[in-house]
Amino acid sequence: EADIYQTPRYLVIGTGKKITLECSQTMGHDKMYWYQQDPGMELHLIHYSYGVNSTEKGDLSSESTVSRIRTEHFPLTLESARPSHTSQYLCASSGTPNYGYTFGSGTRLTVV
Amino acid sequence: SQQGEEDPQALSIQEGENATMNCSYKTSINNLQWYRQNSGRGLVHLILIRSNEREKHSGRLRVTLDTSKKSSSLLITASRAADTASYFCATDLNQAGTALIFGKGTTLSVSS
Repeated sequence: EADIYQTPRYLVIGTGKKITLECSQTMGHDKMYWYQQDPGMELHLIHYSYGVNSTEKGDLSSESTVSRIRTEHFPLTLESARPSHTSQYLCASSGTPNYGYTFGSGTRLTVV
Repeated sequence: SQQGEEDPQALSIQEGENATMNCSYKTSINNLQWYRQNSGRGLVHLILIRSNEREKHSGRLRVTLDTSKKSSSLLITASRAADTASYFCATDLNQAGTALIFGKGTTLSVSS
């Protein structure tokens, strides 16, 4: 059903490791977003992009980076994972204004 | 402070009953959207209502928007067990360069 794909679905990693969460969409959407969500809580915007070579920081961006070299691809990198990064990471994209976002299934990250 | 706040936080009903969830927000919006999230998954866009609209229907969903009170409600009629999920409102601010801001969500449980 979803045309936006996130990998991996689950990831357990040790503290201090560098990790990249992948997000790809096949809809040709210009805008893409990363949100972080703890269980049962609201979504917090980490980064967003309005097109190739465009990236902006959200509320929780200080410990991660993103790139947008291709329209369809918007990876999120944590340079040094910490237990506080344990959470679910949701990628989304949007196209035409006044239409909703399409979300991926998420990556559930556990840092031990 | 949070732009969108849902009420109630949790709602338990029987199959066939109607479920009403409310959302309040603080600043001027371009549109307001409702999303559904099944446990541990990504969000699914349900319905979008623009700031110049007062009511919108989609199947068993009815959304209202009162911009004077900065509030919206989502009504699910004739609930089914499959409607069990978390429901989030999200506001699209009337500002360039911003992304959707999500509330904390309402957890709906529909028992058969």
